[in-house]
This record gives sequence, C-alpha cells and structure tokens, in this order.
Amino acid sequence: GNSVTQMEGPVTLSEEAFLTINCTYTATGYPSLFWYVQYPGEGLQLLLKATKADDKGSNKGFEATYRKETTSFHLEKGSVQVSDSAVYFCALSGGGSEKLVFGKGTKLTVNP
Amino acid sequence: GAVVSQHPSRVICKSGTSVKIECRSLDFQATTMFWYRQFPKQSLMLMATSNEGSKATYEQGVEKDKFLINHASLTLSTLTVTSAHPEDSSFYICSASRWAGGQETQYFGPGTRLLVL
Repeated sequence: GNSVTQMEGPVTLSEEAFLTINCTYTATGYPSLFWYVQYPGEGLQLLLKATKADDKGSNKGFEATYRKETTSFHLEKGSVQVSDSAVYFCALSGGGSEKLVFGKGTKLTVNP
Repeated sequence: GAVVSQHPSRVICKSGTSVKIECRSLDFQATTMFWYRQFPKQSLMLMATSNEGSKATYEQGVEKDKFLINHASLTLSTLTVTSAHPEDSSFYICSASRWAGGQETQYFGPGTRLLVL
C-alpha cells in the first residue's frame, strides 16, 4: 500500500537558517504529493503540491521537487522565519485512491 | 477560494452525551468530504470518507454506529459522536475535495477540539 516516511523531529533552527525536511514515499502508479502545514491549535493548510515527476511546488518561500527516481519530495526553505514554526506533514494521494496518506509530521521551531 | 469551516471549534461535554460537528465548504461544492482524528503530537488518522447523498465509507477499526456521518448537501457534512466517552476526546478535522484543472486537492477545516469529561 501507499506510505509516506518523513524525518522525525523536532527540528530547531535559528532565524534565517536553511531548512530541509526529508520525505520519501512508496506508492503504486503516479501519486500526487503534498506538503501541509499545521500551526498550533489549528487545522492543516495546504502549503504546496506537485502532481507529476520533476514538478516543483512552491509557496511562501518553501519548495519541494517531485523526484520519481528517488521517490522523494523534500521540503526546503532558504531562510526560515519565526513565523514558520509549525508542524509540517508530507502526504500523497493516488494509486486509484483519493485518500490522503500522511507522514507522521515534523515539528519545526524557529528561534529569533 | 477553497475555504472550509468547522463548527464548533471547541466543545466540552459530559460523558454519555452526543456531539455534532459541522464541516462546510464555503466557496465550492465538495462531492467528497473526509473526517480525520488527530491525537496529540501524532499524524492524522482517516476515519471515514463521506460522499454526498450516500453512506459514508469507514476505515477499518472505526465504529460507524458511534461516529455517525451525514453528507446531506454538496457543502455540508456532519460528524456526530454518539454517547461520547473520555477516550473520544481528540482533535477532529474535516477536509473537502475540490476538483480544478483536472486535479483534486483536499482543503482542511480548522478542526474541532472535543473534550469529554
């Protein structure tokens, strides 16, 4: 079945540091890949997505590239801000199912 | 666009009572809505898939008689936790599917925190 593995946190960075959160997946066919962000006490917000190989999703300075050869969708940001502190979830859908399969989430804390 | 709301945002109830949570897609029609449960510091667990006008499809291990789902219109789905007990205390999140440009994306509500005393 489909599955998502993302790096375990928590991750603590200083403001303006470079961020990478690794995400790899296992899926049949050609899934769509997503990154969702959850701020404290809130629901999930779609951060970015990619629907086919080599697509790059980007939003708010975050980027992730759909790498089929390595089955990865790593999240990156060149310079994080305190306001980026949140939990980030990698997810996929596909293989004939519209259901989303989530990774366990990575908590990011950015200190001033 | 693609805003999903949930009501209430927080509810406290006594053990044995029932609680209804509403999920609405405000600016689009959603033929499919999903209900998730999230335990502290954990990922989302899909409870059920709700299709407008038909019975919900529950995930394995989710009691359909305890978690009643109704999807009466293209913009509203409700989850009723019947005879709630303290172990049902959790964060419940809904999402609604939107098709655009030949692609489907789920948009999530802000969640409902349920505390059963």
